[in-house]
Amino acid sequence: GDSVTQMEGPVTLSEEAFLTINCTYTATGYPSLFWYVQYPGEGLQLLLKATKADDKGSNKGFEATYRKETTSFHLEKGSVQVSDSAVYFCALSDFSGTSGTYKYIFGTGTRLKVLA
Amino acid sequence: EAQVTQNPRYLITVTGKKLTVTCSQNMNHEYMSWYRQDPGLGLRQIYYSMNVEVTDKGDVPEGYKVSRKEKRNFPLILESPSPNQTSLYFCASSLRGGVFFEQFFGPGTRLTVL
Repeated sequence: GDSVTQMEGPVTLSEEAFLTINCTYTATGYPSLFWYVQYPGEGLQLLLKATKADDKGSNKGFEATYRKETTSFHLEKGSVQVSDSAVYFCALSDFSGTSGTYKYIFGTGTRLKVLA
Repeated sequence: EAQVTQNPRYLITVTGKKLTVTCSQNMNHEYMSWYRQDPGLGLRQIYYSMNVEVTDKGDVPEGYKVSRKEKRNFPLILESPSPNQTSLYFCASSLRGGVFFEQFFGPGTRLTVL
């Protein structure tokens, strides 16, 4: 079945450091890929998405490229800020031909802490 | 303001006492879903609804019920809660159930079952 694997945290960085959070996936169809961010005490909110191979999603300085050959969707940011401290979830959406339904699969989340 | 609302935000209850967590969205979304979030497990889908009167099981439906009588509302019902249902619950909606559509999440309901 479909799955999403992301690096375990927590990830602790100094302000202005480069960020990479790894995410790999397995899927039977042609999934869309997402990164969601969860700030303390809040629900998840979409950070960026990509719907086909080689697409690059970007938002607020974060980027991720849909790599079909490596089944990856790594999140990057060139210079993190204290305000980026949050939990980041990689997710995919896929269609299951077997059940005729759409599946949303989330990774386990990676906590990022940025120190001033 | 476009949003997904959940009530209550916090709930402490005892084993076996029926409860309902409400979810409402004002974006005219067709697709709605419930998730539970547990440490180390990420988000797992409980139930989802493609549209009014159309619901289906997610990955962890045991012990839960849902209904979708109106487009905007999607309540989660625990008929006989047990301690293993202690968790953080999120309702989410999207324009349609499809590969391309992102989900909009409510603020969460933290449930403790004693």
